[in-house]
Amino acid sequence: GAVVSQHPSWVICKSGTSVKIECRSLDFQATTMFWYRQFPKQSLMLMATSNEGSKATYEQGVEKDKFLINHASLTLSTLTVTSAHPEDSSFYICSAGPSGANVLTFGAGSRLTVL
Amino acid sequence: DAKTTQPPSMDCAEGRAANLPCNHSTISGNEYVYWYRQIHSQGPQYIIHGLKNNETNEMASLIITEDRKSSTLILPHATLRDTAVYYCIVRAPGGFQKLVFGTGTRLLVSP
Repeated sequence: GAVVSQHPSWVICKSGTSVKIECRSLDFQATTMFWYRQFPKQSLMLMATSNEGSKATYEQGVEKDKFLINHASLTLSTLTVTSAHPEDSSFYICSAGPSGANVLTFGAGSRLTVL
Repeated sequence: DAKTTQPPSMDCAEGRAANLPCNHSTISGNEYVYWYRQIHSQGPQYIIHGLKNNETNEMASLIITEDRKSSTLILPHATLRDTAVYYCIVRAPGGFQKLVFGTGTRLLVSP
């Protein structure tokens, strides 16, 4: 089955620094990947759609200059949280599916803690 | 995207069937019904999906009403490891189509 891997699984950083989270499709190519954020006891909130070779599409209310998304290859999308602050502490999850497939697979998530 | 309505929580005894309902009265003709679950601090796990016919796999069964306005996910013999938040989502087909999560149903399976 389709496998999506995220790295790192958890990261702690100081306020003001930037953090990069990777999302990889291990056994398929993905022209589209999705990034979500989840706060404690809340549902997943879609942040953006990552498109290979073009700009990401951000959901309303998500700052594109704050959350930089790069989808440079068919198997890798990265989310960079720039100038992170404690309120950016959250669980970040990506998903993707093979082209033409009806099922999206999720990564295990990356927990970011900003001190 | 069509919205879904699910009860916030349900309880089930271990070994019994868990029946999780979902209302999606505004579903469009080409939209599928998907079920995912999320165990604490993990990424969502795909369970099953269907268009209009009932579906069954090794994890669960999906029953969709004839008018497609509601569905039920059935876990035939719930175990403690099935304790999770279950999300019912309607979505058009295609890898570029996003999944929009609602609040889901928190299922607690007890001994």
